[in-house]
Amino acid sequence: DAMVIQNPRYQVTQFGKPVTLSCSQTLNHNVMYWYQQKSSQAPKLLFHYYDKDFNNEADTPDNFQSRRPNTSFCFLDIRSPGLGDAAMYLCATSRESGGSNEQFFGPGTRLTVL
Amino acid sequence: GDSVTQMEGPVTLSEEAFLTINCTYTATGYPSLFWYVQYPGEGLQLLLKATKADDKGSNKGFEATYRKETTSFHLEKGSVQVSDSAVYFCALRGNSGGSNYKLTFGKGTLLTVNP
Repeated sequence: DAMVIQNPRYQVTQFGKPVTLSCSQTLNHNVMYWYQQKSSQAPKLLFHYYDKDFNNEADTPDNFQSRRPNTSFCFLDIRSPGLGDAAMYLCATSRESGGSNEQFFGPGTRLTVL
Repeated sequence: GDSVTQMEGPVTLSEEAFLTINCTYTATGYPSLFWYVQYPGEGLQLLLKATKADDKGSNKGFEATYRKETTSFHLEKGSVQVSDSAVYFCALRGNSGGSNYKLTFGKGTLLTVNP
């Protein structure tokens, strides 16, 4: 089945130690999104790639960066995780320009910062 | 800008009870509307959607009708099951140009169904 895959499902890191979360998709969608979701809150969009174009949300801290080396993969890099960065990180994709336009979400990566 | 206001939870029901979760929105133009469901420890799954006024989305016994006159998209189910326990998010996708493919979410409603 076509899907959005996130690895790992659970990630533990230490305060200040860089961490990378991975997302891949078999849907061939041209837009990929990264969301941060804290407990009992709605997902908060951090940034997205529309094709190769990176779009950062105005309030996303500089500590968060992203890479999209090809259509299928997208990475979230947290350069110096703080305790406040502990959250669920969700990747999503959508096909714009002729697709159904709905977003498909991965299962998420739960990040713990010690 | 666009916004979604969703019924505050938590909502606790007994099995086979009727469910309504209210959702209203503010947007320019003609947004698409969605309900997503999130089970514990998982990502979001699309439950149903509607792309134009008077459309009814339905899936797994859940329904929601796009009411432009009341700017609402209330989620309903006639008989809930324990397995419906989850967090439900109402969301809209704008249709007024610019970055209109981004979703605006409501705050989510936690539903617990007891046997």
